[in-house]
Amino acid sequence: DAMVIQNPRYQVTQFGKPVTLSCSQTLNHNVMYWYQQKSSQAPKLLFHYYDKDFNNEADTPDNFQSRRPNTSFCFLDIRSPGLGDAAMYLCATSRDGQPRREQYFGPGTRLTVT
Amino acid sequence: DQQVKQNSPSLSVQEGRISILNCDYTNSMFDYFLWYKKYPAEGPTFLISISSIKDKNEDGRFTVFLNKSAKHLSLHIVPSQPGDSAVYFCAASVGNSGGSNYKLTFGKGTLLTVNP
Repeated sequence: DAMVIQNPRYQVTQFGKPVTLSCSQTLNHNVMYWYQQKSSQAPKLLFHYYDKDFNNEADTPDNFQSRRPNTSFCFLDIRSPGLGDAAMYLCATSRDGQPRREQYFGPGTRLTVT
Repeated sequence: DQQVKQNSPSLSVQEGRISILNCDYTNSMFDYFLWYKKYPAEGPTFLISISSIKDKNEDGRFTVFLNKSAKHLSLHIVPSQPGDSAVYFCAASVGNSGGSNYKLTFGKGTLLTVNP
């Protein structure tokens, strides 16, 4: 089945220690998104890639970066995680011409910062 | 400032009855609305959507109603089943002429529990 895969599902990192979360997709979608969701909060868009073009949200901290080496993979890098960065990180994809504008989500990576 | 609001954190319904989940929005530029369902340990999955040019969209047991003047939409599930127990997110997007990377703005979600 075509899907969005996130690894790892659970990640523990130390305060200030860089961490990378990964997302891959077999849907061949040209748009990939990263969301941060804290407990009982709405998923918040951090940035997205439209093909190779990176689009950052205005309020995304500089601590968060992303890379998309090819269509299938996208990475979220947190350069110096703080306790406030503990959250669920969701990757999503979409494609041109989708009439319903839906995005397809992975299962998420739960990040814990100690 | 929350542009999409789901004011009920939780809702409990008896199996076979109707579930009504509500969502309000403030941005009049939103022209498309979606509902997602999320089970524990899974990502959100698309459920149903509606364009702002419509006031109702139906798909099986699920119907979404849109009241543009009130900036309000609701999801009706009839009849409710125990398997419908999940968190339901309302999301909205702004039309993006010439592009397809529609960004979604989500509400905080409503936990629906359907009791057997």
